[in-house]
Amino acid sequence: KAGVTQTPRYLIKTRGQQVTLSCSPISGHRSVSWYQQTPGQGLQFLFEYFSETQRNKGNFPGRFSGRQFSNSRSEMNVSTLELGDSALYLCASSLEARANPNYNSPLHFGNGTRLTVT
Amino acid sequence: GQQVMQIPQYQHVQEGEDFTTYCNSSTTLSNIQWYKQRPGGHPVFLIQLVKSGEVKKQKRLTFQFGEAKKNSSLHITATQTTDVGTYFCDLVLQGAQKLVFGQGTRLTINP
Repeated sequence: KAGVTQTPRYLIKTRGQQVTLSCSPISGHRSVSWYQQTPGQGLQFLFEYFSETQRNKGNFPGRFSGRQFSNSRSEMNVSTLELGDSALYLCASSLEARANPNYNSPLHFGNGTRLTVT
Repeated sequence: GQQVMQIPQYQHVQEGEDFTTYCNSSTTLSNIQWYKQRPGGHPVFLIQLVKSGEVKKQKRLTFQFGEAKKNSSLHITATQTTDVGTYFCDLVLQGAQKLVFGQGTRLTINP
């Protein structure tokens, strides 16, 4: 079974530009979550999508948005990039929504997209 | 205020020493998961704890969930160089079902 695939692996953008990152979950997984990882802030939750609906959202500004398609693939968009957006963006998939009270399936992470904003 | 605190932020030990990381929440948790991230890698699932007072073991790793379901710990006995990495707790806060990742504890080991 193929793992979680994130594209592209590396990206360099300029301040003010926008960027779209892609995540293909493990086959059969319906939940996709996005995380931002920086040396100073650790791993921070961005949002979670399940069955094309955003189920949970972290404390990020509206410049960060996402969506999920009917095949469970997900995209994350960051508009008006800032220098502080430079980070490793990780996507994780799971069978069920993480916020489901009966949740018991682990997150499977991709290798991430390293975004550098100059 | 901050709802989740994972401590310590860093821990350096001699190989063979024990290691413990703690995850503390001001809110009752639905469940908690623990992950390990090796340098240059992505987080990998270790365990999930759901029940109050639950204790689970994986070889040299012992995971505990507090009686009040507000804290958890991961203890490694007799560390080995393969244990190097950052350990994260992943929490679901009860009620609001809010998702939070702990700040992580970075473990380094002197062989």
